[in-house]
Parts: sequence; structure tokens; C-alpha cells
Amino acid sequence: GQNIDQPTEMTATEGAIVQINCTYQTSGFNGLFWYQQHAGEAPTFLSYNVLDGLEEKGRFSSFLSRSKGYSYLLLKELQMKDSASYLCAVRPTSGTYKYIFGTGTRLKVLA
Amino acid sequence: GAVVSQHPSWVICKSGTSVKIECRSLDFQATTMFWYRQFPKQSLMLMATSNEGSKATYEQGVEKDKFLINHASLTLSTLTVTSAHPEDSSFYICSASNRVNQPQHFGDGTRLSIL
Repeated sequence: GQNIDQPTEMTATEGAIVQINCTYQTSGFNGLFWYQQHAGEAPTFLSYNVLDGLEEKGRFSSFLSRSKGYSYLLLKELQMKDSASYLCAVRPTSGTYKYIFGTGTRLKVLA
Repeated sequence: GAVVSQHPSWVICKSGTSVKIECRSLDFQATTMFWYRQFPKQSLMLMATSNEGSKATYEQGVEKDKFLINHASLTLSTLTVTSAHPEDSSFYICSASNRVNQPQHFGDGTRLSIL
């Protein structure tokens, strides 16, 4: 079966650093995506990993270990506007656009 | 700017009504689009894959006669919720990608409320 796990909720303080983990067990692997979704809105793309290692994009970084079936999203210098759900998605099959989404992590940033 | 447009944003209608939702790719051709449903505080659940010029592929447990998908052109897919009932009330989102190694782009979603 296909399984992608994330913590349900996390809380952090403004200005801090938070790491959101994602573990996956899928029939194949051809890329992992992180999306941010504010309440009532559609998801917006944050990052993409297909090879092992760290991808950095400003305050956001994403890490992948394919051998461990593990990824994390690192958010630095947290801002109140970062309060949102963060979705981890895996594309299990090459040549297709289909994703499997994780359960999502609701992040609450406190002042 | 938005690369995927979804319309309408909100629908409120009576039970038994059929509702059509449109998803358009704005500046690229999309042979494949995806339709998701999301209940409050839950993640995205893939309903079906919309394939241009052929039948949609439905996920297990999704009734194809209930959720009709038409992908008649390379830039437009429609989802019709037939004879909608209150339990169909949800947030419906479409997505598309212009290349396999590029991320999916999502429409703004349609909030459907059936009274």
C-alpha cells in the first residue's frame, strides 16, 4: 500500500525554527513535494526533492533521504503568516503526474 | 499569476441539484488534470485523474456516475457532481502540471455547500 505520515499538529514561536517531518512508504519514488495551504485556500508549491540532500529556498529548506523514506521541511525565522497546513506529497511513478498526499501538518505560530 | 483557474469559487444549492465545476490551465496544455476533495482539517484526497480525450481514472471508492469528469480539450476539465446531497458538501480542488518533473499547480478551489 501507499502510506505517507506527518505529525498532525505543531506549535512554534515567532522567530523560531521548526522542522516538519514526513515519512513515506510507496510502491515507487519519483519525487517528493512540499506544499503550504492556508485555511480555505488551495495549496501552493514550496519545494521539490528527487535526489538525496537539502534544497534551500530562502527561509524554507527541504531534505530528502530516499533510503530512509524520509523528508523534512525546515522553516526558519518563523512569521505569523507561516501558520498554515504543510502537505508532503510523493509521486510514486515515473511518467505520471499523480501524487499521493500525506495527512498534512497544521502549524500554529505564536507571538 | 495563476496558472490554473477554477470556477466557481463558491456554490450553495439545494439537495438534488447537479453542480458543474470547471478547471482551466491558463498558459499551458494539460493532458492530465486531477480532482481532489478536502474535508475540514483533513488532507487532500485524490478523487480522479482526468485524461484529455479519454475516460477519467477514478480512485477506489469514488463513484464515477456521481462525479462525472469531462476533459474535452487540452486546457479544460470539468467535474459535475450529479444529484448532490449534503454529504457531498466539501472543498473541491483541481490541479494540473505542464511537465512530469514540474510541480502540480492548483486551482483556487470550489467550496460546495448543499442544503
